[in-house]
Amino acid sequence: GAGVSQSPSNKVTEKGKDVELRCDPISGHTALYWYRQSLGQGLEFLIYFQGNSAPDKSGLPSDRFSAERTGGSVSTLTIQRTQQEDSAVYLCASSLGPLEVQYFGPGTRLTVT
Amino acid sequence: AQSVTQLGSHVSVSEGALVLLRCNYSSSVPPYLFWYVQYPNQGLQLLLKYTTGATLVKGINGFEAEFKKSETSFHLTKPSAHMSDAAEYFCAVTQASGTYKYIFGTGTRLKVLA
Repeated sequence: GAGVSQSPSNKVTEKGKDVELRCDPISGHTALYWYRQSLGQGLEFLIYFQGNSAPDKSGLPSDRFSAERTGGSVSTLTIQRTQQEDSAVYLCASSLGPLEVQYFGPGTRLTVT
Repeated sequence: AQSVTQLGSHVSVSEGALVLLRCNYSSSVPPYLFWYVQYPNQGLQLLLKYTTGATLVKGINGFEAEFKKSETSFHLTKPSAHMSDAAEYFCAVTQASGTYKYIFGTGTRLKVLA
């Protein structure tokens, strides 16, 4: 079956521009996570959605970052006024529930010039 | 707050030798522990997980890990390394109540020498 998909796969943007990253989770998965992977930094938790509950936004690094999940399915991570330190691979994962296996997407590589 | 420490960002072993990747966690509540693997140019996938019950957990590709509460450790082992085990390995922790956010370690890149 289809896995988690993310788009775009690569994004190059100028400093100060806004970007939107999209995640299509596996159908039926109620939990959705966003992570940021920087070289030597491992995976940094950003935000977690579970069903209709309020998301856990505690990992968002600044108010320039926001995310939404529409209809309990597709999610969009928005970064406003991008900075060079935002350059990283942004990973999305989904799971049947919060303690179940997370299935990761291929990621979006963001480069801010 | 929860945290994960992976000792050794790079580990090299000879083919056929024991693989030992170290993970220590910090958690004020009973933890749920995971190992994920990222093969070159592939997405992360689950190797194994500990939730409750048996403290020795077996995963895919011959890997296993043992939850040791007294040592706050969840080290990953494999008796005999294969070339195909070369990858980056991540330990992660979450908890069974409250928020289910996952904290990942910084990863250990395993190199297998012929």
